[in-house]
Amino acid sequence: DTEVTQTPKHLVMGMTNKKSLKCEQHMGHRAMYWYKQKAKKPPELMFVYSYEKLSINESVPSRFSPECPNSSLLNLHLHALQPEDSALYLCASSRGSGQGNYEQFFGPGTRLTVL
Amino acid sequence: GENVEQHPSTLSVQEGDSAVIKCTYSDSASNYFPWYKQELGKRPQLIIDIRSNVGEKKDQRIAVTLNKTAKHFSLHITETQPEDSAVYFCAACHDYKLSFGAGTTVTVRA
Repeated sequence: DTEVTQTPKHLVMGMTNKKSLKCEQHMGHRAMYWYKQKAKKPPELMFVYSYEKLSINESVPSRFSPECPNSSLLNLHLHALQPEDSALYLCASSRGSGQGNYEQFFGPGTRLTVL
Repeated sequence: GENVEQHPSTLSVQEGDSAVIKCTYSDSASNYFPWYKQELGKRPQLIIDIRSNVGEKKDQRIAVTLNKTAKHFSLHITETQPEDSAVYFCAACHDYKLSFGAGTTVTVRA
């Protein structure tokens, strides 16, 4: 399997809901990422997990909570979101750290709408 | 932190002509420079990348050049085709952090 998969494809939630986004890869990659992308803008890094440990948090509000249950899975738990959090949420993975291991492969994204 | 600037923001070319997109970066520690193509509603797809110890790389109609001294890198697409129409993002990477340029919307006119 040479792809990063994400579920669900689309998600609509109210500001009081709790939901989770899921990402999976079976390429043996040891680094996984969450990005947020608004329309007509580049992806913005949110979190990086390296070898299942959170290594980068780009000052993301606590209503976004990442989790890496194992080396193949990455979750993003959502709670009390705001309408401005509506965006495409992209997951990516790469082989890991070190020279030559930075190539990131993106999943198809989850289109999130917060009402 | 890293700051990546990308120009132009839009580019319209006649089919068969060449397209050039230019990026500059600020962090001299960045050592990996990928280019992504993103079609409407799709994921960003890596089309070519270059590492800091290489000055030029080519893959069929796509080439990338890197000038580490001047901290700029460029994407060249030759013999453009309608399917090259998309948004292109350059990025600079240090450790795990990818910093993206603002993007270039390329339209290839038939």
